[in-house]
Amino acid sequence: GDSVTQMEGPVTLSEEAFLTINCTYTATGYPSLFWYVQYPGEGLQLLLKATKADDKGSNKGFEATYRKETTSFHLEKGSVQVSDSAVYFCALSYNTDKLIFGTGTRLQVFP
Amino acid sequence: SAVISQKPSRDICQRGTSLTIQCQVDSQVTMMFWYRQQPGQSLTLIATANQGSEATYESGFVIDKFPISRPNLTFSTLTVSNMSPEDSSIYLCSVGGPYEQYFGPGTRLTVT
Repeated sequence: GDSVTQMEGPVTLSEEAFLTINCTYTATGYPSLFWYVQYPGEGLQLLLKATKADDKGSNKGFEATYRKETTSFHLEKGSVQVSDSAVYFCALSYNTDKLIFGTGTRLQVFP
Repeated sequence: SAVISQKPSRDICQRGTSLTIQCQVDSQVTMMFWYRQQPGQSLTLIATANQGSEATYESGFVIDKFPISRPNLTFSTLTVSNMSPEDSSIYLCSVGGPYEQYFGPGTRLTVT
């Protein structure tokens, strides 16, 4: 079946460091891919998405490219801030059907 | 986008009791989803609720434990029945939009 694998956390960085959170997927079809973020004490928010191969999703300085050849959707940001500290979830779905989530990666950014 | 509210936002319940969680959407939607997020874990889909039909449950979840109602296109309830401490989780509802899913703020349930 379909699944999503994320790198283990927590990821600990200093402010202004470069961030990569790896995400790979296994899919029987051609899903859309998503990154969701959960800030401390808050609900789940969509961060960015990509609906087909080679699409790049971007938002708030974060980027991720849908790579069909490597079945990956790695999240990157050039310069993280303390306010980016949160849990990040990679997910896939077909036509806004149910989402299949990865295990989540906790990011901690220190000043 | 869709705005989703959930009630209650949190509750502490005794084992053996039941809690009904409400989910209200500000627009009519066909599909609503219920997820569970156990402490420190990812989100797992419990069931999909379409208006006018019975909910479809994922493997490991059964209607007797998690009965769902979907009386109209803007509202759904999830009941957690005969609770045990293992049911302590955040329960989230979400709705499918044209391009993405939108999530409610969640209901944090603690079972003692």
